[in-house]
Amino acid sequence: GESVGLHLPTLSVQEGDNSIINCAYSNSASDYFIWYKQESGKGPQFIIDIRSNMDKRQGQRVTVLLNKTVKHLSLQIAATQPGDSAVYFCAENMDTGRRALTFGSGTRLQVQP
Amino acid sequence: GAGVSQSPSNKVTEKGKDVELRCDPISGHTALYWYRQSLGQGLEFLIYFQGNSAPDKSGLPSDRFSAERTGGSVSTLTIQRTQQEDSAVYLCASSLAGGGEPQHFGDGTRLSIL
Repeated sequence: GESVGLHLPTLSVQEGDNSIINCAYSNSASDYFIWYKQESGKGPQFIIDIRSNMDKRQGQRVTVLLNKTVKHLSLQIAATQPGDSAVYFCAENMDTGRRALTFGSGTRLQVQP
Repeated sequence: GAGVSQSPSNKVTEKGKDVELRCDPISGHTALYWYRQSLGQGLEFLIYFQGNSAPDKSGLPSDRFSAERTGGSVSTLTIQRTQQEDSAVYLCASSLAGGGEPQHFGDGTRLSIL
């Protein structure tokens, strides 16, 4: 998607609620997808990945859903905690050909105590 | 174990100067990537190294940018004759192999051009 610069979409949730962060990816040939968490002043931190032969994958408190029909990816965080506050990026990649990740523009998650 | 290490963490320099940014990938990772992140933006791919193969330089924005990777490990990104638009955070990542593997990032070098 297009970058929105400093005006990142923001999701504000209450501590303990579930969070859902959405991402529309651009390349129908992409077959590998990753979610990253980025805190201020830090590099992106790997959260969870999924390949295109799956539509759901679960980790610890996180679930990624992939809908290839509409090129949509979502990250669900259960029982959101203040430490989950960060900017979240989805990224897509092709297993073959160009190996670089293509990043979305990010969503800021704010967890209210 | 150690993650990806980048140095310096911050660099301030005058327009027109050359800068060198260093990346030490995770031991055993054959793939190394450089990305650039402008304030509040997503990451923009710059260059990719995989083993002994020729690097993928398709993301470099101009011929003022170059990178090398010595001995299949440490990489240096060089920006010549810096311009103010080069101001950004430069991030390095490594992965076990190229494509279809999680890329693990360092904390970046914040470059400011005066």
